[in-house]
Amino acid sequence: EVQLVESGGGLVKPGGSLRLSCAASGFTFSSYSMNWVRQAPGKGLEWVSSISSSSSYIYYADSVKGRFTISRDNAKNSLYLQMNSLRAEDTAVYYCARGSQKGWDWGQGTLVTVSS
Amino acid sequence: AIRMTQSPSSFSASTGDRVTITCRASQGISSYLAWYQQKPGKAPKLLIYAASTLQSGVPSRFSGSGSGTDFTLTISCLQSEDFATYYCQQYYSYPTFGGGTKVEIK
Repeated sequence: EVQLVESGGGLVKPGGSLRLSCAASGFTFSSYSMNWVRQAPGKGLEWVSSISSSSSYIYYADSVKGRFTISRDNAKNSLYLQMNSLRAEDTAVYYCARGSQKGWDWGQGTLVTVSS
Repeated sequence: AIRMTQSPSSFSASTGDRVTITCRASQGISSYLAWYQQKPGKAPKLLIYAASTLQSGVPSRFSGSGSGTDFTLTISCLQSEDFATYYCQQYYSYPTFGGGTKVEIK
């Protein structure tokens, strides 16, 4: 069974930084692309970033480009999102998701609140 | 970026109803489309991928159709557990999601 467990969320001041982690299990992590998706309170889903299985290809939404960095450690079955220069509009539940041509599997999410 | 437009954004229905949700892509995406169900406080759950392939374990009352730019999700006989918000997602290029359709109890 695919399991994705996010951690690292919390309350941070505008301009601050936070690093999210996603621990994966139940599948061969190094064979799949991975993604971060966020959902602001009461809003829809917004793709944030994707990374290929070997980290060769990395993509970001325009809204986070230059501020967020996605990375992975295949030896540790872990995905990361380094978030810098955080803004109030980055407040959301952040989900990690396993990518595939057969749809995505999602973690339970971690809440990031950016507020002074 | 490819824009995904879902309609309606919300509607009310009764148990037993047949319901259809539509999703339109701003450019052709072949069949690279998935549908997800989300309940309050929970992560999205995959229902359908490749526009019409039912995910294992998903009830057969759910079905998807379409290709190119126009897609539909149909629930043939709405059950109480189906009241939720539904999202389409294209994965032809950088992934994008529709704005969601909330199905409420009439």
